[in-house]
Amino acid sequence: SSEVTQDPAVSVALGQTVRITCQGDSLRSYYASWYQQKPGQAPVLVIYGRNNRPSGIPDRFSVSSSGNTASLTITGAQAEDEADYYCNSRDSSGNHVFGTGTKVSVL
Amino acid sequence: EVQLVQSGAEVKKPGESLKISCKGSGYSFTSDWIGWVRQMPGKGLEWMGNIYPGDSDTRYSPSFQGQVTISADKSIGTAYLQWSSLKASDTAIYYCARMTTVTTGMDAFDMWGQGTKVTVSS
Repeated sequence: SSEVTQDPAVSVALGQTVRITCQGDSLRSYYASWYQQKPGQAPVLVIYGRNNRPSGIPDRFSVSSSGNTASLTITGAQAEDEADYYCNSRDSSGNHVFGTGTKVSVL
Repeated sequence: EVQLVQSGAEVKKPGESLKISCKGSGYSFTSDWIGWVRQMPGKGLEWMGNIYPGDSDTRYSPSFQGQVTISADKSIGTAYLQWSSLKASDTAIYYCARMTTVTTGMDAFDMWGQGTKVTVSS
């Protein structure tokens, strides 16, 4: 299956740590990339591969992976991290697949 | 400044045709794949397809193959997404995004356009 699933929603207290997971067979062969989307805005790449962060993305965002699961961790979550997060990978045919998305609430 | 700038919002009727655009600037437009992504109202991101403007090599998601056409004009640094006959279910925001490849098995959409809102209604 090329489906990539994420938990629909997670919450985290301000300053605490939250992990967002992404599950799918494609993740056994391809690194995931992660995107943050705030309401009314275009998605923004926050991290990909082996902890590659674009310029301007804080280092509180990190990734890990094991088997068919990729994880995005926000260490010391800030109010501005409240957003929807999507992972992306490729299936066995090379087609991109986005995860179902996780809404992160910072309390 | 490196950016992708998309064409403006569109309101169309079912059955009409449409072509929206995505213009790249500040980088070598012919050297990176451009992807198109759909986001229906209140829903998640869906990959539609990619094009390599250097030679117009195009890949489609099976879900969108035959439903849309992706093209590019490298002479003006612009990629396009077009429909020949719109349906109400095509109502969505459409994003273009540049794909960067680090190595095999590791790539990402590192720059996104601002999105084009398409509304199809009778």
